[in-house]
Amino acid sequence: DAKTTQPPSMDCAEGRAANLPCNHSTISGNEYVYWYRQIHSQGPQYIIHGLKNNETNEMASLIITEDRKSSTLILPHATLRDTAVYYCIVRVSIGISSGSARQLTFGSGTQLTVLP
Amino acid sequence: SQTIHQWPATLVQPVGSPLSLECTVEGTSNPNLYWYRQAAGRGLQLLFYSVGIGQISSEVPQNLSASRPQDRQFILSSKKLLLSDSGFYLCAWSVNGRLTSTDTQYFGPGTRLTVL
Repeated sequence: DAKTTQPPSMDCAEGRAANLPCNHSTISGNEYVYWYRQIHSQGPQYIIHGLKNNETNEMASLIITEDRKSSTLILPHATLRDTAVYYCIVRVSIGISSGSARQLTFGSGTQLTVLP
Repeated sequence: SQTIHQWPATLVQPVGSPLSLECTVEGTSNPNLYWYRQAAGRGLQLLFYSVGIGQISSEVPQNLSASRPQDRQFILSSKKLLLSDSGFYLCAWSVNGRLTSTDTQYFGPGTRLTVL
């Protein structure tokens, strides 16, 4: 899996958009970009993932650059409950024919603090 | 929708005592199941994974064991706990690899184990 680089911390005002960057310059063509977050003392929470196109769900938007070497997770209206460590992960597709499971490896992530 | 449960939420056990942590998943069939441990301030360590009933793969040598007696039940056990077994234990599930090209993992709330 390709290595990712994230800023260690960011602040965001409540109600504003939080834009969390991630660099993954060594990403290969079959690797997906995943985002998870972990609120203190809770299990990690899946947010979103994408391959080439921008993605949006009820939690966030994922913007992937055309060369796929970086991406941005956007929380459109951050709330205090969005304060967490956000992890950007790049993982190769395991393929439909594979029945095996693979470890999910988190880096150091970005500590997002939403301020009132 | 799918949900994943873990219990107990917290546990304090003396050294040398046995351990049994349980994880169940609802709303899906034949999932991949995982046990991770997260030490304080550190990343995730995959301990075991299972792609089916009775099929357990171990990632690291240790005094823990895992079992999958039913399709959506995953149990982590130990006969004699060590101080080094303290940590945050996370169960996760993903759609079986034969059915999808990505392996998004969804985590439970975790069990915080303190061995004294």
